[in-house]
Amino acid sequence: ETGVTQTPRHLVMGMTNKKSLKCEQHLGHNAMYWYKQSAKKPLELMFVYSLEERVENNSVPSRFSPECPNSSHLFLHLHTLQPEDSALYLCASSRYRGALHFGNGTRLTVT
Amino acid sequence: KQEVTQIPAALSVPEGENLVLNCSFTDSAIYNLQWFRQDPGKGLTSLLLIQSSQREQTSGRLNASLDKSSGRSTLYIAASQPGDSATYLCAVYNNAGNMLTFGGGTRLMVKP
Repeated sequence: ETGVTQTPRHLVMGMTNKKSLKCEQHLGHNAMYWYKQSAKKPLELMFVYSLEERVENNSVPSRFSPECPNSSHLFLHLHTLQPEDSALYLCASSRYRGALHFGNGTRLTVT
Repeated sequence: KQEVTQIPAALSVPEGENLVLNCSFTDSAIYNLQWFRQDPGKGLTSLLLIQSSQREQTSGRLNASLDKSSGRSTLYIAASQPGDSATYLCAVYNNAGNMLTFGGGTRLMVKP
């Protein structure tokens, strides 16, 4: 058990669907992250919530929308995705600028 | 913009060998550098974190070094085992901002 739990593990959705990915940590961390991992590409940071501030990668399309209701929970809301959005989506948490702890990811397939 | 490079992209060695994985970064104004391991279909596991003021960190058979001025870090694995087979990634935190920039990883295969 990694301490960071992501659900669901696998998700298949059509381009017109709306779905959400969930992440939960009970490590007492105060920063949470969403990363996208595509085949043969480096990990791409999508969003960071740290010390109640949100930082986002400006290249992330608006069809991805994060939500962080408290320091233990993080969501990624998905709508009208494209097939190229198929990837492994990883959540992580840390103390401020500390070692990152990752969940096992959600494998997303957009059909 | 910080760029992190890992060479080689893939490495295959026989069991028992000592090996070195390389990581280079373009901006030396870093806060810390982190090494991770990723098994297929899984998330990343933190291995070692080196603060910018440190030269190396050790954990078991792993030793990571940091040369900030030259923009390099190495991960040394002693007496490699088949269970070490995984992808190893390095990542750097810059002094400015709150983003960890990852390299592309080195895929290691240790053959019995």
